[in-house]
Amino acid sequence: GESVGLHLPTLSVQEGDNSIINCAYSNSASDYFIWYKQESGKGPQFIIDIRSNMDKRQGQRVTVLLNKTVKHLSLQIAATQPGDSAVYFCAENYDNAGNMLTFGGGTRLMVKP
Amino acid sequence: NAGVTQTPKFQVLKTGQSMTLQCAQDMNHNSMYWYRQDPGMGLRLIYYSASEGTTDKGEVPNGYNVSRLNKREFSLRLESAAPSQTSVYFCASSEVQGVDTQYFGPGTRLTVL
Repeated sequence: GESVGLHLPTLSVQEGDNSIINCAYSNSASDYFIWYKQESGKGPQFIIDIRSNMDKRQGQRVTVLLNKTVKHLSLQIAATQPGDSAVYFCAENYDNAGNMLTFGGGTRLMVKP
Repeated sequence: NAGVTQTPKFQVLKTGQSMTLQCAQDMNHNSMYWYRQDPGMGLRLIYYSASEGTTDKGEVPNGYNVSRLNKREFSLRLESAAPSQTSVYFCASSEVQGVDTQYFGPGTRLTVL
């Protein structure tokens, strides 16, 4: 299996509960943020994104909240399912020229049946 | 529509050997990227290509070279592999550079002995 994230912070939730995964970002000038999900042995998969002119965006069962005052991003997953078990990464477009995405270290979500 | 494909899936090299990792995308994206992912760390950008014919260094370019062969293909070359290059390598693409969703391939797991 995938060895990425041996020392990642872990969030353990019961199936059916809501999950909240948090991310502190680096650069107050960043204006675009993405959440990715990475399952074992696979590449990161896009979940949802948000631009800095918004503070909330909703998708299917997921909501991203952006608090620019404290440089904080969160991902809320409603009615968490076993298939949600994965490592979740936030990313910001850190470079002032908008050239690069910088990724956080990730959080492992474990869903208990 | 396969998205982003990478070859090989796994590779073992001896120190000093060379190899090229291949990446192709069929989404007609302009920008392509190479990342490495190490245990306990997020993705780090090695090189990127904003558009066909251009390449630029990312956060960790030393020991690597890239070629944007055409709009579809972006290869990463290790001229003289070192154990520190043991990692999982991901290729990604996006329609435009920076403030746009990046779509990832499945990764290449490389071990350098």
